[in-house]
Amino acid sequence: DTGVSQNPRHKITKRGQNVTFRCDPISEHNRLYWYRQTLGQGPEFLTYFQNEAQLEKSRLLSDRFSAERPKGSFSTLEIQRTEQGDSAMYLCASSYGSLYPGNQPQHFGDGTRLSIL
Amino acid sequence: GIQVEQSPPDLILQEGANSTLRCNFSDSVNNLQWFHQNPWGQLINLFYIPSGTKQNGRLSATTVATERYSLLYISSSQTTDSGVYFCAVLGTRSGGGADGLTFGKGTHLIIQP
Repeated sequence: DTGVSQNPRHKITKRGQNVTFRCDPISEHNRLYWYRQTLGQGPEFLTYFQNEAQLEKSRLLSDRFSAERPKGSFSTLEIQRTEQGDSAMYLCASSYGSLYPGNQPQHFGDGTRLSIL
Repeated sequence: GIQVEQSPPDLILQEGANSTLRCNFSDSVNNLQWFHQNPWGQLINLFYIPSGTKQNGRLSATTVATERYSLLYISSSQTTDSGVYFCAVLGTRSGGGADGLTFGKGTHLIIQP
């Protein structure tokens, strides 16, 4: 169990640029989650995959955001045409689950901190 | 969606003191987790505790699901316990953004030497 790995740890970019983050979950976990955390707040749910299927998106996930999980392994989160308000910590979590979404704990990576200039 | 309230929002204690952090939630839950976010932003799993009581060293937690609250106890505080403590829940209803954890605003704990 090597834990959830996220890359890069930090990303600084100019407004209007596209950015992509990567998450490698714990190897036996079939569920993968993306969250966003802004300063002084708790993390907020963005989206969730079970294997390769994206099953849930929150209203926070605007059209500029897209997430993929090809082959049900690692996942990428892309933000197009970045805006100042996208500055945040982007956290990935994974868990193992069968019938019920909540019956196993979620384990979080160290996050990618995005700063928009 | 489900609401999560944590109290107190801020807590300053001397090293060696004990503390109790509270988490109230508005609906029945499948999952409740306590996390410690350290000054580097890492979210550390403390407990997975949708019901019952667990202990891990100086930390223990109790969730009374029927009354919709959970408590985190920290005994003999150390300066390394400083940081933000989050309670996060997953309600029993799915969809509409409900398949991810809903976090409270956290308790900011400062332990002074």
